[in-house]
Amino acid sequence: QVQLVESGGGVVQPGRSLRLSCAASGFTFSSFAMHWVRQAPGKGLEWVAFISYDSSNQYCADSVKGRFTISRDKSRNTLYLQMNSLRGDDTAVYYCARGGTYSDLWGQGTLVTVSS
Amino acid sequence: QSALTQPASVSGSLGQSVTISCTGTNSDVGGYKYVSWYQQHPDKAPKLMIYDVSNRPSGVSDRFSGSKSGNTASLTISGLQAEDEADYYCRSYTSSSTYVFGSGTKVTGL
Repeated sequence: QVQLVESGGGVVQPGRSLRLSCAASGFTFSSFAMHWVRQAPGKGLEWVAFISYDSSNQYCADSVKGRFTISRDKSRNTLYLQMNSLRGDDTAVYYCARGGTYSDLWGQGTLVTVSS
Repeated sequence: QSALTQPASVSGSLGQSVTISCTGTNSDVGGYKYVSWYQQHPDKAPKLMIYDVSNRPSGVSDRFSGSKSGNTASLTISGLQAEDEADYYCRSYTSSSTYVFGSGTKVTGL
């Protein structure tokens, strides 16, 4: 069925790295732009990063610029978020979402906890 | 990029209408038609309710409608039902080619 499934979350120490994955199925992944969105515990949604359908354009929020990188592998139908130099305020549920100017399909989220 | 401004909460009697505002600037909400709205129930993923200011995806109740005037977008829920109780977020494209969410609004039925 049409779905997005995130993985790769967990507990990580401050300053370390983590890579999240988002596996797409049931639709033509290579035709859609994608986003990463996060939600800190008890807080609102925060846009993190965007990648165009062909990877030609990538944009990140100022809060993660220089530390996070969004990428995709069309052969694996998978979206990635490489997160470096993690900080406590990066603790959140991370969602991948399909679409450009609007997101009509979301994954269930993966929890990243940054703690020593 | 600061979050778009939404009221923290709105409430209304079941069966009544409620409206949620989403205020930005002419660099985001006011400058583009790319405002979307998302519903989120506790511990669930967000769900798209409105896209491109006023368009409703297939399967979303016609009780949900969207509009925009200047730098403020609005989501109206007509005939509020118990299952509409949730958090709602607006999102806009920006002049920096990034995106920004609203601060979120909790809708409560009385």
